[in-house]
Amino acid sequence: DTAVSQTPKYLVTQMGNDKSIKCEQNLGHDTMYWYKQDSKKFLKIMFSYNNKELIINETVPNRFSPKSPDKAHLNLHINSLELGDSAVYFCASSQGRGLGQPQHFGDGTRLSIL
Amino acid sequence: GENVEQHPSTLSVQEGDSAVIKCTYSDSASNYFPWYKQELGKRPQLIIDIRSNVGEKKDQRIAVTLNKTAKHFSLHITETQPEDSAVYFCAASKGYSTLTFGKGTMLLVSP
Repeated sequence: DTAVSQTPKYLVTQMGNDKSIKCEQNLGHDTMYWYKQDSKKFLKIMFSYNNKELIINETVPNRFSPKSPDKAHLNLHINSLELGDSAVYFCASSQGRGLGQPQHFGDGTRLSIL
Repeated sequence: GENVEQHPSTLSVQEGDSAVIKCTYSDSASNYFPWYKQELGKRPQLIIDIRSNVGEKKDQRIAVTLNKTAKHFSLHITETQPEDSAVYFCAASKGYSTLTFGKGTMLLVSP
């Protein structure tokens, strides 16, 4: 059973397009996250949701819009894709907000902009 | 906000040697310090974590030490094996804040 699952695994698209990445967790966790991992492997937090509510929104262009229909799902929609958006996007979840709770990551979505 | 520095960026060892990766953090209120291992093309996976009320934690061949006064923590891997080759990330957080990750250490274990 995959605890945190993301789709698609690979996404290749043209500059200027709009795309979405979906994430679902079956761990019963309250908090979900989106991270961006660039070519240098740096993991940077983008958003965090707790029980469907946005709690963290780092300095991310407003072309990125997360949506959480319920606490088990956190999707990421990206408008007007740019070359610099090419990266691996990881979804993660944890039980509770911070408080020393381990985060469980999905397998990542590799986004390539042509 | 929190700033986590991680060294070295790459580490090459022979199989059977020990490996040590060090991290420093800036916020003295940080109280949770996990370590993640990311194999090539895979997701980061938690391998060990430590909380600020503990100075050392061990799990088989891996151990983590924490020095709150100096604000640094380290990952120790003994008897390294080729399958330990991966990128290792340290991270720190406090209270309700999310994790701040170090920039990673690529560990290469040669047979």
